[in-house]
Amino acid sequence: EPEVTQTPSHQVTQMGQEVILRCVPISNHLYFYWYRQILGQKVEFLVSFYNNEISEKSEIFDDQFSVERPDGSNFTLKIRSTKLEDSAMYFCASTIILGAGGYTFGSGTRLTVV
Amino acid sequence: AQKITQTQPGMFVQEKEAVTLDCTYDTSDQSYGLFWYKQPSSGEMIFLIYQGSYDEQNATEGRYSLNFQKARKSANLVISASQLGDSAMYFCAMREFNTGTASKLTFGTGTRLQVTL
Repeated sequence: EPEVTQTPSHQVTQMGQEVILRCVPISNHLYFYWYRQILGQKVEFLVSFYNNEISEKSEIFDDQFSVERPDGSNFTLKIRSTKLEDSAMYFCASTIILGAGGYTFGSGTRLTVV
Repeated sequence: AQKITQTQPGMFVQEKEAVTLDCTYDTSDQSYGLFWYKQPSSGEMIFLIYQGSYDEQNATEGRYSLNFQKARKSANLVISASQLGDSAMYFCAMREFNTGTASKLTFGTGTRLQVTL
């Protein structure tokens, strides 16, 4: 069964450093998303991406965040200058079409900012 | 107001019994979708079941069924014949179609289910 692949699975970074979280969505999917989940809390929407541009972003997705789909397969989330409160699990998700059926989530990247 | 409400932070069920996890939602859209995801302790999000707002039949997927009561705005997940491997966090989520081209999911706070012997 096709999968959404996220790398790395764990990342530890120092406060103020830039991190790039990588995702390879399912190849024929058209809509891409990043979500985050702070430990023990609910999953929160960050940003959606369609047709090579941001479709929607949440209040969390401020100027420190950016997304790219540089080569038609990878979908990256960059955090420019990490803060302690950015520590969370980050999920990439994709879907082929907006209709019946679920979004496929990657297994997540656990980001720890120290 | 919360768009998705899960009022049960934790539930226990005995193996082989059925369990219902509650979910209520709030939307003014006519067209929307409701989802349930399972999150085991390993952290991944596993899609379980989907119900569209126009679907007249309740969705079923194996041991999972969704008790959809549109007038009450509830979409409860029923797990039949619980297994130890069902122990996990369960999230209800909604997709509204007016929130932008790519329609995000909005999640509830989750219910932690523990299956006991």
